[in-house]
Amino acid sequence: QVQLQESGPGLVKPSETLSLTCTVSGGSISRYYWSWIRQPPGKGLEWIGYIFYSGSTNYNPSLKSRVTISVDTSNNQFSLNLGSVTAADTAVYYCARHVSAMSSFNLWGRGTLVTVSS
Amino acid sequence: EIVMAESPATLSVSPGESATLSCRASQSVSSNLAWYQQKPGQAPRLLIYGASTRATGIPARFSGSGSGTEFTLTISSLQSEDFAVYYCHQYNDWPLTFGGGSRVEIK
Repeated sequence: QVQLQESGPGLVKPSETLSLTCTVSGGSISRYYWSWIRQPPGKGLEWIGYIFYSGSTNYNPSLKSRVTISVDTSNNQFSLNLGSVTAADTAVYYCARHVSAMSSFNLWGRGTLVTVSS
Repeated sequence: EIVMAESPATLSVSPGESATLSCRASQSVSSNLAWYQQKPGQAPRLLIYGASTRATGIPARFSGSGSGTEFTLTISSLQSEDFAVYYCHQYNDWPLTFGGGSRVEIK
């Protein structure tokens, strides 16, 4: 079955760029939408943005100035870059799949904790 | 953005009893509403989409209802594995937003 796996550094320094990759295994990245969602420790969920396999994107306005999401269809991966991070960006970051731009998230990765600290 | 508010924040329920969670949207989201279950240390799991359609593999004891701004998730005959945090999520407008979560705990 299709699985998602997040990977990347668990510790990022303030003002630097947080970079994560989500690898899709057991299926193709094509024809689906792929989002990044985060959850600060003990708090709720925040949608960061999505990318379609063709490369079109849509970002949360609250993060838009700092976020870039890209896709690598040849390796069945998509990535998140979040710039100028602060402690407020400390969270578990999830990648997730949805079947259309505006639909529920029917498949999630296990998540990866990223801590912003010097 | 559309603000989603869940209530109650915490619900204490005995195993075998039913639980009813509410979700209110700050403006209409039609039926573009999903519910997720999250257990400690795990990713959220999709339970309900389209306000009332159970996702694949979700037991029939989970049911959703509502439209517009008022939604309900009902869990009948709670099992031990149902004690968790539940989130509602609207996908009717940008940005996509979630409620703050309702915790269902053992009484």
